[in-house]
Amino acid sequence: GQQVMQIPQYQHVQEGEDFTTYCNSSTTLSNIQWYKQRPGGHPVFLIQLVKSGEVKKQKRLTFQFGEAKKNSSLHITATQTTDVGTYFCACSGGSNYKLTFGKGTLLTVNP
Amino acid sequence: KAGVTQTPRYLIKTRGQQVTLSCSPISGHRSVSWYQQTPGQGLQFLFEYFSETQRNKGNFPGRFSGRQFSNSRSEMNVSTLELGDSALYLCASSLVGWGRGLTEAFFGQGTRLTVV
Repeated sequence: GQQVMQIPQYQHVQEGEDFTTYCNSSTTLSNIQWYKQRPGGHPVFLIQLVKSGEVKKQKRLTFQFGEAKKNSSLHITATQTTDVGTYFCACSGGSNYKLTFGKGTLLTVNP
Repeated sequence: KAGVTQTPRYLIKTRGQQVTLSCSPISGHRSVSWYQQTPGQGLQFLFEYFSETQRNKGNFPGRFSGRQFSNSRSEMNVSTLELGDSALYLCASSLVGWGRGLTEAFFGQGTRLTVV
């Protein structure tokens, strides 16, 4: 089945610095979704990408889907303490009726 | 509209016991999936149900089972609990599930299971 590797596992930044997490697959992905889980919370959907080379923005967050549809990234500009949490990528495809999650990147922000 | 509701929120069980967790999806959602979340393994897929049918199952032992009712509510059961079953169990609902179609997953707050 499809698997996604996510790096880095942890990232600590000073407030105001940028942050990027990467999601990589050895196979072509039909789609990719991103979720955020705050400490003690549950995953919350952020966005989904479908098209090769797609770029979507949500305020300070920029999501990209690679041209070969084998990788994706989430970039946060000028981090804030409210950005703290674990960011997961997830993919689905074919008829396997499941979302496969990356291990996530835990972001901590020093105020 | 109401979100995904999982009960109970916290549970402490003894090794060897069994446990049943409940999930009520968002109204109108027919797909319910279950995930186990642990610090070391992340989010691992348990199973997915759609219209009372299990469409996919993850790599978990047979002690883990589930079912879905006609109103889309779902339960998962773990028998003969082991210490390693301690985890956050998350339920996610979506309109039609995932496959070739795309749909957002809405997660419940989870049930924190501790096995002692």
